[in-house]
Amino acid sequence: DAKTTQPPSMDCAEGRAANLPCNHSTISGNEYVYWYRQIHSQGPQYIIHGLKNNETNEMASLIITEDRKSSTLILPHATLRDTAVYYCIVIGGSNYKLTFGKGTLLTVNP
Amino acid sequence: NAGVTQTPKFRVLKTGQSMTLLCAQDMNHEYMYWYRQDPGMGLRLIHYSVGEGTTAKGEVPDGYNVSRLKKQNFLLGLESAAPSQTSVYFCASSQNGHFQPQHFGDGTRLSIL
Repeated sequence: DAKTTQPPSMDCAEGRAANLPCNHSTISGNEYVYWYRQIHSQGPQYIIHGLKNNETNEMASLIITEDRKSSTLILPHATLRDTAVYYCIVIGGSNYKLTFGKGTLLTVNP
Repeated sequence: NAGVTQTPKFRVLKTGQSMTLLCAQDMNHEYMYWYRQDPGMGLRLIHYSVGEGTTAKGEVPDGYNVSRLKKQNFLLGLESAAPSQTSVYFCASSQNGHFQPQHFGDGTRLSIL
């Protein structure tokens, strides 16, 4: 199963873009990169996912490098409500278990 | 739009008691999951279901049973609660596959004394 590495914490100013990196150098060709977040005392929330191409939705953008060994989640205009733990997860093929590691605690400051 | 609803939100049990946690989803999703989340352990899959009438074991199934009699409901049972089962339990659902986004409930906080 592909493992992911994320920084334990990051800070961002309100209104600025938050760029959260994730390394997944052992990812297989049929594995997706998923991002979830968990706001304190709430259930995890799906953000975005991708296989090879960059993806964008109403919440965020996902940039995957050409070799697929790393990715970046971009929150274009962070708000205080985006303060949460963000999890980068690789899943696909025979690896169907959604496994949350330690993630990145993003703190958005006023 | 309720999404995934878990009941109860909080519960305190004594060792040996039994209880059932209910998960209901209104999105007509085929797949449903039960997880537990403990400090420093991340999210661990207990049981899951790929459709009405089906269940399967996840990573940590011992001490739990599940049933999926109706498509919209997934029940998690503890027959004889133990202190090691003190945790936050999350239910999730996905449309029709493991590799589709999972939608989570807000959790049930269970303490066993």
